Amino acid sequence: NAGVMQNPRHLVRRRGQEARLRCSPMKGHSHVYWYRQLPEEGLKFMVYLQKENIIDESGMPKERFSAEFPKEGPSILRIQQVVRGDSAAYFCASSSDHTHPMAQHFGDGTRLSIL
Amino acid sequence: AQSVAQPEDQVNVAEGNPLTVKCTYSVSGNPYLFWYVQYPNRGLQFLLKYITGDNLVKGSYGFEAEFNKSQTSFHLKKPSALVSDSALYFCAVRDNSDYKLSFGAGTTVTVRA
Repeated sequence: NAGVMQNPRHLVRRRGQEARLRCSPMKGHSHVYWYRQLPEEGLKFMVYLQKENIIDESGMPKERFSAEFPKEGPSILRIQQVVRGDSAAYFCASSSDHTHPMAQHFGDGTRLSIL
Repeated sequence: AQSVAQPEDQVNVAEGNPLTVKCTYSVSGNPYLFWYVQYPNRGLQFLLKYITGDNLVKGSYGFEAEFNKSQTSFHLKKPSALVSDSALYFCAVRDNSDYKLSFGAGTTVTVRA
């Protein structure tokens, strides 16, 4: 499968725990975007990364959330000390070049549930 | 600032009938417009995009969309709907100088046999 791979597909955490969501972009893609989908809502942009760089994190909550895209390995979205309101579907998308209007290709998402 | 409105939460049609899902947008520059479809517990699948050129864009699975600059609309259409088209459809826009996609709230399409 050459698509965007996200894991885990489902993640259950208790309040106060940490959640780590992983995303491997499509082969040949070096641009990664994270979006959050709350129930009954569309996707909201969180962060845009290229290899080893955060380009735009304007959609990220100021606290507890962080993202990285290391030189080797998948992109990681990390949520510390999770709260009930973090329950959502988190989608990763990738593209080959943000300047050319290529479509962003999405993974199947990680559904995060906070107990 | 950019935004998308999908005025209908739900659209119900009979199989074989034409399907239209409405979308209007707002951007400061020239728009890049996209339609995605989401099946339960899956990610978004790209259907089609408008970047420039012909206002009528053809995409996957027999879908097409018409860009109307004066009405700032990008409605999704399919001449003859299938039961398998039942899903959640999202319209998205980005400014030609930006990379962030802004999504509408989605429209649930139900095609009855």
